[in-house]
Amino acid sequence: DGGITQSPKYLFRKEGQNVTLSCEQNLNHDAMYWYRQDPGQGLRLIYYSQIVNDFQKGDIAEGYSVSREKKESFPLTVTSAQKNPTAFYLCASTDIKNRRSAYGYTFGSGTRLTVV
Amino acid sequence: AQSVTQPDIHITVSEGASLELRCNYSYGATPYLFWYVQSPGQGLQLLLKYFSGDTLVQGIKGFEAEFKRSQSSFNLRKPSVHWSDAAEYFCAVGARMGGSEKLVFGKGTKLTVNP
Repeated sequence: DGGITQSPKYLFRKEGQNVTLSCEQNLNHDAMYWYRQDPGQGLRLIYYSQIVNDFQKGDIAEGYSVSREKKESFPLTVTSAQKNPTAFYLCASTDIKNRRSAYGYTFGSGTRLTVV
Repeated sequence: AQSVTQPDIHITVSEGASLELRCNYSYGATPYLFWYVQSPGQGLQLLLKYFSGDTLVQGIKGFEAEFKRSQSSFNLRKPSVHWSDAAEYFCAVGARMGGSEKLVFGKGTKLTVNP
């Protein structure tokens, strides 16, 4: 079955470390997104990509970096510059062939990152 | 700017009671509207969507929502809540921003169901 796989499910980071969250999809979707979720804050867009080797900053990109070397993969790196990285991170993908399909987001099951 | 407001942060209902979750949006053109549900520690699942046509849309798990343009609302309803409906619910509007289509989410309403 097609879907999005996020790994790991739980991740612990020490102060000053960079960590990378994995997001892989086999839906042949062009667009992929990273969201950060904090209690009571809803979903905030970190980065998104609509094509391989191209990506755009979202609303809260500072302290994060991404790459899109393959259509299937969109890893997110939380750098040491992100001062408050403890949160739940969600990856999503969608087909952007038309406006309606562009909103057919499929979400992964998330990664919970904790700073220790 | 496009935005979504969910006025209720937390709602508690008894099992079997009816449910209505409120959602108001701000968008200049005809909106595309969505409701998602999230169980604890999981991703989001689409409940229903509105693109055009009939303003009352049916979704999965017995949910429905009604689009009211005059009130800029898209409230989610269920006639009889089950304990398994306890989750967080997000309303979203589809918006064209920065040359691409994106979903703008509300901050969510957490639903607790009492036995």
